[in-house]
Amino acid sequence: EDKVVQSPLSLVVHEGDTVTLNCSYEVTNFRSLLWYKQEKKAPTFLFMLTSSGIEKKSGRLSSILDKKELFSILNITATQTGDSAVYLCAALTGANSKLTFGKGITLSVRP
Amino acid sequence: DVKVTQSSRYLVKRTGEKVFLECVQDMDHENMFWYRQDPGLGLRLIYFSYDVKMKEKGDIPEGYSVSREKKERFSLILESASTNQTSMYLCASGGDSNQPQHFGDGTRLSIL
Repeated sequence: EDKVVQSPLSLVVHEGDTVTLNCSYEVTNFRSLLWYKQEKKAPTFLFMLTSSGIEKKSGRLSSILDKKELFSILNITATQTGDSAVYLCAALTGANSKLTFGKGITLSVRP
Repeated sequence: DVKVTQSSRYLVKRTGEKVFLECVQDMDHENMFWYRQDPGLGLRLIYFSYDVKMKEKGDIPEGYSVSREKKERFSLILESASTNQTSMYLCASGGDSNQPQHFGDGTRLSIL
């Protein structure tokens, strides 16, 4: 059975802090690892990682994949209250692009 | 921008009713997906479709069926709604395996 585990499940930080969100996976026919941010509504796409060791960056967010150790991290530097959300990690597998999600990490950024 | 539209944001139905949730995407994607999202359980895949009239069961298909008569539209059907199907339902669409899935805003369904 495919499995994706995220840690910690929740996190409270203050504005300006740096956070690291973890995601490990055990799946068959792995293709890519995806990160999404979910506020009140639809999850919005952040990153798609297919190759090991190549960091992807978007502003204050960055992410990297380790295919040997089967994990990924999402870093957020200089956090802002607008970063408060649930962060979802998912493994993309198989020919039909099936996603298996972790349970999500709830990040709260206090002013 | 990819747009995935779900027909209702909130829906209240009664036990035993047949419920239809509709999803439309405008990007000509082959793949479409239905998930439910519950606190503490995350997103779980109910059904997906990789082509018109094609469907495959996800991880929790029991009590649900789907229909894909046109490429842009994917419907989730609760044949006889039960209270344990109260949940947030999310539709997604995606192209090939090099593209991420994009989500609709979700339908919060309550079964009374």
